[in-house]
Amino acid sequence: DVVLTQSPATLSVTPGERISLSCRASESVDTYLHWYQQKPNESPRLLIKYASQSISGIPSRFSGSGSGTDFTLSINGVELEDLSIYYCQQGNSLPFTFGSGTKLEIK
Amino acid sequence: EVQLVESGGGLVQPGRSLKLSCAASGFTFSNYYMAWVRQAPTKGLEWVASITNSGGSTYYRDSVKGRFTISRDNAKSTLYLQMDSLRSEDTATYYCTREVQLLDYWGQGVMVTVSS
Repeated sequence: DVVLTQSPATLSVTPGERISLSCRASESVDTYLHWYQQKPNESPRLLIKYASQSISGIPSRFSGSGSGTDFTLSINGVELEDLSIYYCQQGNSLPFTFGSGTKLEIK
Repeated sequence: EVQLVESGGGLVQPGRSLKLSCAASGFTFSNYYMAWVRQAPTKGLEWVASITNSGGSTYYRDSVKGRFTISRDNAKSTLYLQMDSLRSEDTATYYCTREVQLLDYWGQGVMVTVSS
């Protein structure tokens, strides 16, 4: 199974900051890497698909990059509503796997 | 608007069975693969099973193979998850998702608690 390692586990940020979250795969997943946001007591929602493709309705401050084994989710100008856990997921091979998540805390 | 609405969760004893349903609307159900993803309390996300758009092929994570069965009724736009021989480690919120290698729409989730 492909193991996805996310770092950091928790990130405490100030509103307005630009931040980057990391997701590293144990083997290449090409660009079949997707990002999800899960707000407290809500279902996850798709944030970025295929490593860097934007999703309709998602604010433009969210962006993704990477390929192969190293991926980054960036938030350009964190807002209070971004308080969430962010998960990466690989769709390159079954079983689909998720990272353990990065929890974003607002200072 | 795409909607996925799960039902059928609850409290069940270890070793017993439960069947989850997911009613889909807002898209042509028969055109899409579907999947179940679960999340144990305070834990991360875990893919459980997927099914092709026709229902002809199914895929499972190892820990549920032989115990869970994913199926669908395209005429009713409904996805199912039959869960047999339930274990305490199956306790989780189960989400119905539309699957295209990524999971682009999610239901609100249904809680399954396995406990005596």
